[in-house]
Amino acid sequence: QQKVQQSPESLIVPEGGMASLNCTFSDRNSQYFWWYRQHSGEGPKALMSIFSNGDKKEGRFTAHLNKASLHVSLHIKDSQPSDSALYFCATSGGNYKPTFGKGTSLVVHP
Amino acid sequence: GPKVLQIPSHQIIDMGQMVTLNCDPVSNHLYFYWYKQILGQQMEFLVNFYNGKVMEKSKLFKDQFSVERPDGSYFTLKIQPTALEDSAVYFCASSLVGGDTQYFGPGTRLLVL
Repeated sequence: QQKVQQSPESLIVPEGGMASLNCTFSDRNSQYFWWYRQHSGEGPKALMSIFSNGDKKEGRFTAHLNKASLHVSLHIKDSQPSDSALYFCATSGGNYKPTFGKGTSLVVHP
Repeated sequence: GPKVLQIPSHQIIDMGQMVTLNCDPVSNHLYFYWYKQILGQQMEFLVNFYNGKVMEKSKLFKDQFSVERPDGSYFTLKIQPTALEDSAVYFCASSLVGGDTQYFGPGTRLLVL
C-alpha cells in the first residue's frame, strides 16, 4: 500500500523568503504527482502537477521529481502571506487512486 | 478556473439515518472522486467513478456507501445507514481524464449525532 510522507509538518518563513516542502513516497510504480494547497475551510486547489523527473517551474513555484529516490519537492520563491496554507502532495499510479500526504502547514509572516 | 459545487455545505444527521451528498462537477469532466477529511488532516481517497461505474474504491468505502451519477446530473455519495465515525468533511473532485489535475469542491461538513 502506497505511503506518502511529508516534511516538515510545519514551516515558518519570512515574507520574501523561500519555502521548501518535501514528500517521499513508497510505490515505485507511482506515475502522477501533484501539489495541492488548502486554505482553512476550503477545498484543496491544485498548484502543480509533475509527471517526469526533473524540475517544473510555474511562476514562483518549482516542483522537483526524482522517481529513483522516491522524492518530490515544492519550492516557493518570494513567499507571500497569502501563501500561508496547508500544502499536500499526492501521487497515484495508473489506477487514478491518489494517496495524499498528511500535509505541511506553511506560515509566511510579514 | 473550473468550479465544482457541493450541496449541502453542512449536514447534521442522527446516527442510523441516510444522507446524500451532492456534487456538481466541472461540466466536461469525465472522472469523479470522493474524499474524506477529518479536522484538516490527511485527505483520504474513497472512490473514483468513470463512465457510470466505480473504478477503484478504498477500504474506507464501506458497504453502507454508494455513488451514482444518474443521467449526467449530480454525482452523489449516499451513506445508509450513517455511523458516528462518518462525521467528517467530504470533498468531491473531478478531472477531465484519469491522471489529470483534479478540481475540488468546497466540501460538505457532515456531523453524525
